[in-house]
Amino acid sequence: AQSVTQLDSQVPVFEEAPVELRCNYSSSVSVYLFWYVQYPNQGLQLLLKYLSGSTLVKGINGFEAEFNKSQTSFHLRKPSVHISDTAEYFCAPQGAYNNNDMRFGAGTRLTVKP
Amino acid sequence: DAEITQSPRHKITETGRQVTLACHQTWNHNNMFWYRQDLGHGLRLIHYSYGVQDTNKGEVSDGYSVSRSNTEDLPLTLESAASSQTSVYFCASSEMTGLSGELFFGEGSRLTVL
Repeated sequence: AQSVTQLDSQVPVFEEAPVELRCNYSSSVSVYLFWYVQYPNQGLQLLLKYLSGSTLVKGINGFEAEFNKSQTSFHLRKPSVHISDTAEYFCAPQGAYNNNDMRFGAGTRLTVKP
Repeated sequence: DAEITQSPRHKITETGRQVTLACHQTWNHNNMFWYRQDLGHGLRLIHYSYGVQDTNKGEVSDGYSVSRSNTEDLPLTLESAASSQTSVYFCASSEMTGLSGELFFGEGSRLTVL
């Protein structure tokens, strides 16, 4: 099974600043990669996913992520954040052949300040 | 719109009592999952099911059980609640045919064991 490390537990930024949330995973097999977002007192929802093809993936709310196979990373970026982006973000690699084998990172709490 | 609902949203119980958390989805998904979310751990898989009468243990299954008698429901039972089971529990579902693995989450059930 793969493991996943989210390198920052908390990321405070000012509104309209760029942000990068880092995710590294380890796996000996092909993986799919996901980012989920959790707004306060809600469940998780899909932000974006990488299955195959282009390594730059665009998601909802202006977020994007780049799959880097050589560095086993899948960092999430947004060029200009809004107050409404304040949430917990989870990176989740999944083995390409095993639907249940999705592991979640510990999460990164993004706080956008005015 | 299809959805996945959890009940109760909040529950306080005492050590040793049996507790059941309900999960109901109208996506008609074959796959259903239970996770627990704890600070610093992200989401950890408790049990999962790939269809009616199918149940499987996840990485933190001790003290929990599930049953799948129909497609829509996967109740999670704590046979004898312990303080270590104080957590937020999330139910999720996904399609069986695709290997994309996207999970659809409920809004969570916060359980406190005193």
